[in-house]
Amino acid sequence: SQQGEEDPQALSIQEGENATMNCSYKTSINNLQWYRQNSGRGLVHLILIRSNEREKHSGRLRVTLDTSKKSSSLLITASRAADTASYFCATSPSGSARQLTFGSGTQLTVLP
Amino acid sequence: EPEVTQTPSHQVTQMGQEVILRCVPISNHLYFYWYRQILGQKVEFLVSFYNNEISEKSEIFDDQFSVERPDGSNFTLKIRSTKLEDSAMYFCASSPSGSTDTQYFGPGTRLTVL
Repeated sequence: SQQGEEDPQALSIQEGENATMNCSYKTSINNLQWYRQNSGRGLVHLILIRSNEREKHSGRLRVTLDTSKKSSSLLITASRAADTASYFCATSPSGSARQLTFGSGTQLTVLP
Repeated sequence: EPEVTQTPSHQVTQMGQEVILRCVPISNHLYFYWYRQILGQKVEFLVSFYNNEISEKSEIFDDQFSVERPDGSNFTLKIRSTKLEDSAMYFCASSPSGSTDTQYFGPGTRLTVL
């Protein structure tokens, strides 16, 4: 599989529930970033976690990183209908390269 | 809050025509990027730019593509002779410095090649 693959591909939950999305990657990284994209719109940066960090919080978002398993998870707590969007992980490779490699994304639908 | 802006929001062109997509990165940022997203597919890296030169480019970024920072604020992507398969959303991004920094994306330009 390719760098930065999310699962599930689609997730549908009720408002107020928690949503967990996972991302796996193949190569060593400097950091991993999560982005949100509403349909046909731009990419909104959510959170960045560096390779030497294991967990990070921002508001209702919690991101974990396990470099030994080359995986990350994004947890959105107490979801809202406005959280409906596609969520992508993007990895920045080790070394001086800065290009981000994006996964295919998880389409999250939060039902009111 | 500063943000990356892109113009136009939608560009329609005939195959074989040249297009220039424009971006204004966040003012104190030093690294600039172009990505594209073909409908229904992943976001793909095209090129990164630092200190007035290309620092990395992908295999997608062939001789038909070029980038320029013509003045202190704009960052442009030129496609010399557009093909049908160039139809995509093109995103500009910028970051303050270094590979550990967040890349902030613009709203994108939807390019349609007829």
